[in-house]
Amino acid sequence: DVVLTQTPPTLSATIGQSVSISCRSSQSLLHSNGNTYLHWLLQRPGQSPQLLIYLVSRLESGVPNRFSGSGSGTDFTLKISGVEAEDLGVYYCVQGTHARTFGGGTKLELK
Amino acid sequence: QVQLKETGPDLVQLTQTLSITCTVSGFSLTTYNVHWVRQPPGKGLEWMGAMWNGGGTDYNSAFKSRLSISRDTSKSQVFLKMNSLQTDDTAKYFCASLGFDYWGQGVMVTVSS
Repeated sequence: DVVLTQTPPTLSATIGQSVSISCRSSQSLLHSNGNTYLHWLLQRPGQSPQLLIYLVSRLESGVPNRFSGSGSGTDFTLKISGVEAEDLGVYYCVQGTHARTFGGGTKLELK
Repeated sequence: QVQLKETGPDLVQLTQTLSITCTVSGFSLTTYNVHWVRQPPGKGLEWMGAMWNGGGTDYNSAFKSRLSISRDTSKSQVFLKMNSLQTDDTAKYFCASLGFDYWGQGVMVTVSS
């Protein structure tokens, strides 16, 4: 089974600071069809998760462009360029190339 | 408007069977996959399994022996059944679809001895 390892587990940031979250896979997430099914979700406290980025770098409709995703193969990064208060919560990567697996999550909190 | 809603018990007895229904609207089960995801209190998300739009299923190997997912397309419902519940099955159970773009609000299930 694919394992996704997210680092760091907790991230403390000030408003306006730029931060990055890493997601590393135990196997390549490049599918035989050429797509890489690695997505990023945000779960705010008390809410269901919401999709932020799909297929590594594509921004979901309505998601601010301060969010960006990059990576390939087994190494992926979510970057927030200028954290805002509404960005606080837990971020998860999820892969869909080999069944489905979630990363362990990264909690973004205010410093 | 796409919506998913989970319905199920708040409390299940130890070793008993959990049954949860996910009722969807705004899309067809024959077009999009539906996933089951759970989240123990204070912990992360765990993929449990999926009902594929073609009618097949896939399961996380951690649950394979006691989890069953089925559907009724005429009612736009997907069903989760898991037997032999233990206290560490206490969690919020979500259904999600359209590439995890849409989620239900989840149902919190407590396994009690």
